[in-house]
Amino acid sequence: AQTVTQSQPEMSVQEAETVTLSCTYDTSESDYYLFWYKQPPSRQMILVIRQEAYKQQNATENRFSVNFQKAAKSFSLKISDSQLGDAAMYFCAYRTSNTGNQFYFGTGTSLTVIP
Amino acid sequence: GAVVSQHPSRVICKSGTSVKIECRSLDFQATTMFWYRQFPKKSLMLMATSNEGSKATYEQGVEKDKFLINHASLTLSTLTVTSAHPEDSSFYICSARLIQGSNSPLHFGNGTRLTVT
Repeated sequence: AQTVTQSQPEMSVQEAETVTLSCTYDTSESDYYLFWYKQPPSRQMILVIRQEAYKQQNATENRFSVNFQKAAKSFSLKISDSQLGDAAMYFCAYRTSNTGNQFYFGTGTSLTVIP
Repeated sequence: GAVVSQHPSRVICKSGTSVKIECRSLDFQATTMFWYRQFPKKSLMLMATSNEGSKATYEQGVEKDKFLINHASLTLSTLTVTSAHPEDSSFYICSARLIQGSNSPLHFGNGTRLTVT
């Protein structure tokens, strides 16, 4: 079974600084997809960034980028120039490529942005 | 972008009653929807995969007779919590993917906070 591990329950960052959130996963598949979702206090899940396992290039979305290390099964999220609105729970997610297509989520990292 | 609507956003019910939660894909067809449960400050736990026109697939440990799922159309899935108990109090979130078999992400509803008294 696939498992997703986020080893940092809580993180904090100064406004305008950079923070990296860690995520590791366990799988026997070679083809899969990885995502980072943000859940602000409103509880609405918002997609931050996605990565296909077959792509070697790390995904980037504005201030958000990932460091995807397939051999190490690591998928960290870097937030640059942190803003107050970045404060939220961040969930790493893994999706299988088989017909089930289920998503599996990590335990989350609560990010605090300090003004 | 794809929108998933979930209703109600909050519901309080008495122990022993049943509660139905609706999940609708507003601007796309979803042959598959997913139901998650989230405890306070915890991750999302996949409960079941709802398949249009067929039986839902439940994750291990989830009681299918307690959490009834009906996916009667390409835009609507419902989760009914039957004979609710206080331990069923939780945050329930539905989701759907825009396109099957691709890297498309999950689009989430706003969630339903269920409180059983």
